[in-house]
Amino acid sequence: DTQMTQSPSSLSASVGDRVTITCRASQSISSYLNWYQQKPGKAPKLLIYATSTLQGGVPSRFSGSGSGTDFTLTISSLQPEDFATYYCQQSYSTPFTFGQGTRLEIK
Amino acid sequence: EVQLVESGGGLVQPGGSLRLSCAASGFTFSSYEMNWVRQAPGKGLEWVSYITTSSGTIYYADSVKGRFTISRDNAKNSLYLQMNSLRAEDTAVYYCARIRRDDSGRGYFDYWGQGTLVTVPS
Repeated sequence: DTQMTQSPSSLSASVGDRVTITCRASQSISSYLNWYQQKPGKAPKLLIYATSTLQGGVPSRFSGSGSGTDFTLTISSLQPEDFATYYCQQSYSTPFTFGQGTRLEIK
Repeated sequence: EVQLVESGGGLVQPGGSLRLSCAASGFTFSSYEMNWVRQAPGKGLEWVSYITTSSGTIYYADSVKGRFTISRDNAKNSLYLQMNSLRAEDTAVYYCARIRRDDSGRGYFDYWGQGTLVTVPS
């Protein structure tokens, strides 16, 4: 199974900050990497798929990069609505494992 | 508008069974692979099971293999998860999620239901 490790597990930041979350796969997953945002009590929402493609309706301040085993999610200028938990997920092979999540909190 | 609506959750005693349903609307259900994903209280997301459009290929997480059965009825636009021999560690919100694939075949979960809570007391 492919293990997905996110860092950091939690992060405090301010509105307007640039934030980067890292996701590392235990083996190569090519570009089969997706990012989701989840707010309390809500279902996850797809942000980015195939490493760097923004899902429709997602603001352009979100971006993704990487390949192989190392990937990043960047939020260029944090907005109040961005404070949430973020998960990476590999879809290269089953089980479609998720990272443990990164909780983004207001400083 | 794409909608996925789960139902069937509730309180069940250890060793008991429960059948979850996911009603799909707003898209051609029979054309999409589907999944179940769960989230224990205060924890992260755990993929549970996957099924292809024709039910020809099915996968399970090791944690549920042999106890859970995924199925679908394309005529009824519905996805199911039969859960047997339930344990306290199966307590979670269960989501159904649709897979979409890009031109290169890379899959992603583009729509999720609101989830249904399954509680198995310890």
